[in-house]
Amino acid sequence: GAVVSQHPSWVICKSGTSVKIECRSLDFQATTMFWYRQFPKQSLMLMATSNEGSKATYEQGVEKDKFLINHASLTLSTLTVTSAHPEDSSFYICSATTAPFGELFFGEGSRLTVL
Amino acid sequence: GDSVTQMEGPVTLSEEAFLTINCTYTATGYPSLFWYVQYPGEGLQLLLKATKADDKGSNKGFEATYRKETTSFHLEKGSVQVSDSAVYFCALESNYQLIWGAGTKLIIKP
Repeated sequence: GAVVSQHPSWVICKSGTSVKIECRSLDFQATTMFWYRQFPKQSLMLMATSNEGSKATYEQGVEKDKFLINHASLTLSTLTVTSAHPEDSSFYICSATTAPFGELFFGEGSRLTVL
Repeated sequence: GDSVTQMEGPVTLSEEAFLTINCTYTATGYPSLFWYVQYPGEGLQLLLKATKADDKGSNKGFEATYRKETTSFHLEKGSVQVSDSAVYFCALESNYQLIWGAGTKLIIKP
């Protein structure tokens, strides 16, 4: 199946710094990418939907100035957590699709720990 | 709003046991239903899906039938293996988004 890769898989940063997480579709062009947040023992929470070349659409309650999403090409989307705080510590997962509701392919996830 | 409820885990079974993980949903209209699996250290992947009532999705020995009358999509497997140990998520498609259940951790002991 199609492969989606996230980098880094694990990152530790100090409070107040910014962290960028990359999501790449390795063998297909992803017209739409999704970013999720997964809390321990909880389900995935959709944060935002990004289409290549346009601004991301954020879910209610997600701060767009804090979680910057860029989908500059058909194979790359980035999530930047700005001025990170300990409560931003979580597991962030991206997924990608080639059609408005085609099959979703998920990345391995990136674990962020903010000290 | 639309929602998905699945049984809490962890579910612990012995190898070759019969598995059922319950999933019920609330939705307007007729959504598509999915089971995703997350193996340890890996990303999520689609296990099976059903797009209309009475459809049966199947893959890797797992099955789930879309039951409109009971609004359910229970996941079953006749004989589980240690390699089936993972977290299983039930989800429905609503307005081009996926609504997720909380996930059920499955532990299979040899």
